[in-house]
Amino acid sequence: DTGVSQDPRHKITKRGQNVTFRCDPISEHNRLYWYRQTLGQGPEFLTYFQNEAQLEKSRLLSDRFSAERPKGSFSTLEIQRTEQGDSAMYLCASRRLDTEAFFGQGTRLTVV
Amino acid sequence: TQLLEQSPQFLSIQEGENLTVYCNSSSVFSSLQWYRQEPGEGPVLLVTVVTGGEVKKLKRLTFQFGDARKDSSLHITAAQPGDTGLYLCAVTYNNNDMRFGAGTRLTVKP
Repeated sequence: DTGVSQDPRHKITKRGQNVTFRCDPISEHNRLYWYRQTLGQGPEFLTYFQNEAQLEKSRLLSDRFSAERPKGSFSTLEIQRTEQGDSAMYLCASRRLDTEAFFGQGTRLTVV
Repeated sequence: TQLLEQSPQFLSIQEGENLTVYCNSSSVFSSLQWYRQEPGEGPVLLVTVVTGGEVKKLKRLTFQFGDARKDSSLHITAAQPGDTGLYLCAVTYNNNDMRFGAGTRLTVKP
């Protein structure tokens, strides 16, 4: 078990470009969460999957954001037409049912 | 709307001092986790509490879960510079989503 893995660790992109991040959860963890964190703040909930089903999506998540977990294993988070305000750390966590959630090291996005 | 508050937001103390940080929810939750996060890294799990009134100890850290399952505290004894970081509480509500507080940023000066 290698823990939650996120790729890439860092991404610099120009405003208006699309970006995609990947999260590989701990195997057999059926729940997967995405969060966004800006400097000095706690993680802000974006969306949550149970297996391949996306069960909840934050109202703060604009239509430019989409997440998938097609086979109930890894997940991707895509941001279309990036804006400078999208610059943040994007965190992924996984858990098995109601047990502890474990986080990846995050993807730091910088939009220039 | 479920509201989760942490206090204090910032705390700066000298090595050897004791401190307590708090996490309060407007709603009852099924479980609570405390995490510690360092800059540029993901949060690292410290403890999970699930039973009202529960107390857990992890070396110099003592975690308490309120009887009403709406609040928790983290007490650190004889703080060390290595304790510096962002302390986050996260709660799971009945709909299974997991929400975080804004965190307490702790600085322990040598």
